[in-house]
Amino acid sequence: AQSVAQPEDQVNVAEGNPLTVKCTYSVSGNPYLFWYVQYPNRGLQFLLKYITGDNLVKGSYGFEAEFNKSQTSFHLKKPSALVSDSALYFCAVSPGTYKYIFGTGTRLKVLA
Amino acid sequence: NAGVTQTPKFQVLKTGQSMTLQCAQDMNHNSMYWYRQDPGMGLRLIYYSASEGTTDKGEVPNGYNVSRLNKREFSLRLESAAPSQTSVYFCATTSPGTENQPQHFGDGTRLSIL
Repeated sequence: AQSVAQPEDQVNVAEGNPLTVKCTYSVSGNPYLFWYVQYPNRGLQFLLKYITGDNLVKGSYGFEAEFNKSQTSFHLKKPSALVSDSALYFCAVSPGTYKYIFGTGTRLKVLA
Repeated sequence: NAGVTQTPKFQVLKTGQSMTLQCAQDMNHNSMYWYRQDPGMGLRLIYYSASEGTTDKGEVPNGYNVSRLNKREFSLRLESAAPSQTSVYFCATTSPGTENQPQHFGDGTRLSIL
């Protein structure tokens, strides 16, 4: 079955430290990969996507993601975390037209 | 520039009541989606509409119906609400070329069924 896994329910990081939010997927073929962020009482907001090409994708608000085909992973990273980055992060894959599979989300808490 | 607008933002229903959740977009997107978000389960697709005049079931369609009224509007109806349908409901859209386009989400409808 096609799936997306975010193995950590919560990630805590000190402000100014680098952060990583993990995502692995199990989808046949070459899916498109996305990261979204959700702030309280808001909808999901698009951060970045991987389609093809460079394995390091840069997105909004200083976030980037590293694609690793052999490990079927697409981890979200940021070199220096801000308190305002605290939110719920979702990884998603699109294995085909009109199909999107979301992970269960990882809550990021950046401590001042 | 509103994007995707959902109404209402909050609603409390009694078991057995019916309700329609509204979604409207001004992005001129063809495809629209309804998801539900439950703690620890991510987003699950209820129904989607690839284009005006078409609708298809998603992962969890039971207990719901949808109408794609025109290109802008896509509504979700609960005919006889059940406590298991307590959730946050999100509408989303994508532009043409849906395999590699991100989805644009409304801010959700928080529905509680007693």
